[in-house]
Amino acid sequence: QKEVEQDPGPLSVPEGAIVSLNCTYSNSAFQYFMWYRQYSRKGPELLMYTYSSGNKEDGRFTAQVDKSSKYISLFIRDSQPSDSATYLCAIEGGSARQLTFGSGTQLTVLP
Amino acid sequence: KAGVTQTPRYLIKTRGQQVTLSCSPISGHRSVSWYQQTPGQGLQFLFEYFSETQRNKGNFPGRFSGRQFSNSRSEMNVSTLELGDSALYLCASRDRAGELFFGEGSRLTVL
Repeated sequence: QKEVEQDPGPLSVPEGAIVSLNCTYSNSAFQYFMWYRQYSRKGPELLMYTYSSGNKEDGRFTAQVDKSSKYISLFIRDSQPSDSATYLCAIEGGSARQLTFGSGTQLTVLP
Repeated sequence: KAGVTQTPRYLIKTRGQQVTLSCSPISGHRSVSWYQQTPGQGLQFLFEYFSETQRNKGNFPGRFSGRQFSNSRSEMNVSTLELGDSALYLCASRDRAGELFFGEGSRLTVL
């Protein structure tokens, strides 16, 4: 079992839709939870960062963490074609400062 | 402020050869991490350097090595290349708050 499992997609939605992206993890030592966005032929860029259970909002993006269920989500409201990218969840924790990534979900927002 | 710069962006090698990839972190960032990204395995942590010392190493064979110089620039080397080493190699530098900033990667093809 991988330490981080991500719904693989791909996902295709119409412009304006609400998008839900999800990951589960197995190691309760994980403390920091991130979502990265990666456009084609680019490196990942950090979208959201949180370390506690609950919701964190930033514009159209909401990150949700449920530590009891070991479940993290990213919601995108009013999705735009410019949101089309691969979204990666990433988790960090314990003594090792390394990120463990999910496999990524490719999102396409159709105009 | 310039981002993380990786060179070369693309390269083609044959099996058995070795390759050296270079990374210049964001000015002021002292921590540099390397990740391998492949379609099958996703993003996997290779190693992290801080102040010229390797702080952490992922689960890769000894053919993968790296180093960091006094100006924080880093190189990674892969010896005796195998077909499975074909991947996007991403370098990231970390700021004082702990956020990782990724470069655009070096895409290695092994024939």
